[in-house]
Amino acid sequence: QLVLTQSPSASASLGASVKLTCTLSRGHSRYAIAWHQQQPEKGPRFLMKVNSDGSHTKGGGIPDRFSGSSSGAEHYLTISSLQSEDEADYYCQTWGTGIRVVFGGGTKLTVL
Amino acid sequence: EVQLVQSGAEVKKPGESLKISCKGSGYSFNTYWIGWVRQMPGKGLEWIGVIFPGDSDLRYSPSFQGQVTISVDKSINTAYLQWTSLKDSDSAIYYCVRPATVYQKYDAFDIWGQGTMVTVSS
Repeated sequence: QLVLTQSPSASASLGASVKLTCTLSRGHSRYAIAWHQQQPEKGPRFLMKVNSDGSHTKGGGIPDRFSGSSSGAEHYLTISSLQSEDEADYYCQTWGTGIRVVFGGGTKLTVL
Repeated sequence: EVQLVQSGAEVKKPGESLKISCKGSGYSFNTYWIGWVRQMPGKGLEWIGVIFPGDSDLRYSPSFQGQVTISVDKSINTAYLQWTSLKDSDSAIYYCVRPATVYQKYDAFDIWGQGTMVTVSS
């Protein structure tokens, strides 16, 4: 069974950069993932799709400060020049015929 | 603009039935699967299932099979999620979602509805 593992929390200072990680369980390193942002009291918003080769496709209107990458079973969301509105929960998602759709548990990002 | 617009918040009693809706616009509704995601209070996202408007082909998460029913009316570009007998534990926000690629039932969700809050309480 495929599991996506995310750290429950992360923090970084205003203007700094942060790298969030989503780890695919053993044997599933070739799956693409998506990143979604959920700001407080709002619904999720699609940020980007990150392929297993590290290439990514962003959603409309997503700032260049958000980028995605991957290395083996680990996928990363990097946010640079952190702003207060980046304080949110970040979820990764993956999918496939055998696994259907799976979400990670989410990372709560605090901007200090 | 591509969007999914959901019906409003609901307050129901245990045992009651409910049907919430999600209307797609700005894209070819019949060529994209459309799905549902649950978020219980203070918790993460859970995939419920997905339906193809073109022929009503359905897939459910094993966790939700038999607990809810997904349907669609392609004549009005609207998908539905329904319960026949609500439980307290069905209290959550429900989002409809669109997979990013035409004809793909499983994909990144690139469009999210605004969410429908369902409260079940006696």
